[in-house]
Amino acid sequence: KAGVTQTPRYLIKTRGQQVTLSCSPISGHRSVSWYQQTPGQGLQFLFEYFSETQRNKGNFPGRFSGRQFSNSRSEMNVSTLELGDSALYLCASSPRSSGETQYFGPGTRLLVL
Amino acid sequence: AQSVTQLGSHVSVSEGALVLLRCNYSSSVPPYLFWYVQYPNQGLQLLLKYTSAATLVKGINGFEAEFKKSETSFHLTKPSAHMRDAAEYFCAVSLNQGNQFYFGTGTSLTVIP
Repeated sequence: KAGVTQTPRYLIKTRGQQVTLSCSPISGHRSVSWYQQTPGQGLQFLFEYFSETQRNKGNFPGRFSGRQFSNSRSEMNVSTLELGDSALYLCASSPRSSGETQYFGPGTRLLVL
Repeated sequence: AQSVTQLGSHVSVSEGALVLLRCNYSSSVPPYLFWYVQYPNQGLQLLLKYTSAATLVKGINGFEAEFKKSETSFHLTKPSAHMRDAAEYFCAVSLNQGNQFYFGTGTSLTVIP
């Protein structure tokens, strides 16, 4: 099976812009989670989608949003970008329920200037 | 709130020496425990997972970890370090409440030739 894919791999934006990142999970996986990774804060959970419904949400402002489509592909959107949003954004997929192993994509590296 | 503590943000070992990376967790219920490895500019790769079937878990690349409930620890070990083991290692906890992972801050492993 193909692994988790994320597009784009690299992105440069300026403050105030918005950005959409895409994640395609492993075929058959219904859960998609998003994480932000920065040198200062480490890996932080953004949100998780399961069968098109947001099931869990981390402690991030409302500028961060996501959605999941019927084919389990997911997108996350960040509006009104700030310098501090520069990070590696990782997507992970799991087959179904809780406690499952999460399989990570290569990430999208976002630089906000 | 759940937390994961990785003691030692940087660990250096000589090639062929024992690798020991420490992880302690706080959880009021038995968690699922994971170790992931991250190579530069890549996503996270699963090393091993504790599923309560056995306290000593064997993973890929010769790594293993032992779950000790009394110490709330899940330390990662490898008898003999290789140069290719140089990477960032993350311990993670997941509860039986969806697929949200709580990650430690990571340990950067350097292998000295």
